[in-house]
Amino acid sequence: EVQLLESGGGLVQPGGSLRLSCAATGFTFSSSVINWVRQAPGKGLEWVSVISGDGGGTHYADSVKGRFTISRDNSKNTLFLQMNSLRAEDTAVYYCAKASPYCGGTNCYPDSWGQGTLVTVPS
Amino acid sequence: EVVLTQSPATLSLSPGERATLFCRASQTVSTYLAWYQQKPGQAPRLLIYDASNRATGIPARFSGSGSGTAFTLTISSLEPEDFAVYYCQQRSSWPLTFGGGTKVEIK
Repeated sequence: EVQLLESGGGLVQPGGSLRLSCAATGFTFSSSVINWVRQAPGKGLEWVSVISGDGGGTHYADSVKGRFTISRDNSKNTLFLQMNSLRAEDTAVYYCAKASPYCGGTNCYPDSWGQGTLVTVPS
Repeated sequence: EVVLTQSPATLSLSPGERATLFCRASQTVSTYLAWYQQKPGQAPRLLIYDASNRATGIPARFSGSGSGTAFTLTISSLEPEDFAVYYCQQRSSWPLTFGGGTKVEIK
């Protein structure tokens, strides 16, 4: 069974940094594309970033480009999101989500999701 | 960026009724569109991928159609567990984008 467990969320002041982690089990992590998707309180879903299985390919939403960095440690089956220069508008639940292998690339649909970790940046 | 517009924002229906949800793209996405269901306090669940393919374990009452810029999610007969928020998402071009969601509520 695919399991994704996010951690590292919390309260951080504007301009601060936070590093999220996502521990994965139940599938071949090193060959899986993984996304970060966020959801502000009471709002819709926003795709944030994606990384290829070997870590060599990444993409970011314009809203986080230059501030957030996605990475992974395949030896530990763990995904990361380093978030710098945080703003109030980054307040959200952050989900890690494994992409379906159906598409064969990084631009595929998340088909398994964690339960999320809440990041709060006060205004 | 491809903007996805979902309508209606809210759909009020009774169990057993048919639900039809719409997603319009600001530019063609071919058939590279998915639908998700999200219940309160839960992560989203993939229902439909590439416009019309049901994901693993999804009941046959859920169906998707469309191509280009206009897509539809149909729930043929609403079950009590289907009342939730539904999102569309495209993978045709970067950045990946989601629609704003349609809430299906009990009438």
